[in-house]
Amino acid sequence: GQNIDQPTEMTATEGAIVQINCTYQTSGFNGLFWYQQHAGEAPTFLSYNVLDGLEEKGRFSSFLSRSKGYSYLLLKELQMKDSASYLCAVNLIWSNAGNNRKLIWGLGTSLAVNP
Amino acid sequence: EADIYQTPRYLVIGTGKKITLECSQTMGHDKMYWYQQDPGMELHLIHYSYGVNSTEKGDLSSESTVSRIRTEHFPLTLESARPSHTSQYLCASSDRPGTGEPSSYEQYFGPGTRLTVT
Repeated sequence: GQNIDQPTEMTATEGAIVQINCTYQTSGFNGLFWYQQHAGEAPTFLSYNVLDGLEEKGRFSSFLSRSKGYSYLLLKELQMKDSASYLCAVNLIWSNAGNNRKLIWGLGTSLAVNP
Repeated sequence: EADIYQTPRYLVIGTGKKITLECSQTMGHDKMYWYQQDPGMELHLIHYSYGVNSTEKGDLSSESTVSRIRTEHFPLTLESARPSHTSQYLCASSDRPGTGEPSSYEQYFGPGTRLTVT
């Protein structure tokens, strides 16, 4: 089966750094997404890793190790507006007919940033 | 900036009513998706489409149906709403995968429809 694990909740202080981990056991892996979702809103794209290593985008960085089935999202210089749920999603190739893919979603990590 | 729209944003309706949730995107994306999400819970894929006249059921069994007559439009219909259908419904679309642009797999989400069936 397909499985994605993330911590349920994390708390951090404004200005600090936080790392949110994601481990996965899937077949047909074709990359991993991180999305941010504020309460009551739709998810918004943060990052996509398809090769091993670190991808940096401003205050946010994402790391992938395919051999370990592991990724993390690193948030630096935390701001109050970063309080949200962070969703890890694995992109699977699920059909041999062309480029058909679907996302398997984790439950999300609820991050609370305190002043 | 993604251009994907859902209407209505909020809907409260009685049991047994037929409802259609609208989703439209102006990006020319081939792939469109419907997710169901309860508060604090994961996203569940209930329907998807890879193009016009293509629709498939997702991982979570749903009593809803979808249609894809036009590229930009992917409505979801519940023939007879029940309280168990109360949830948030999110529509998303994504581009045809390119050759070396990983972010072309990115799914763009609409604002969602929060449905309450009384």
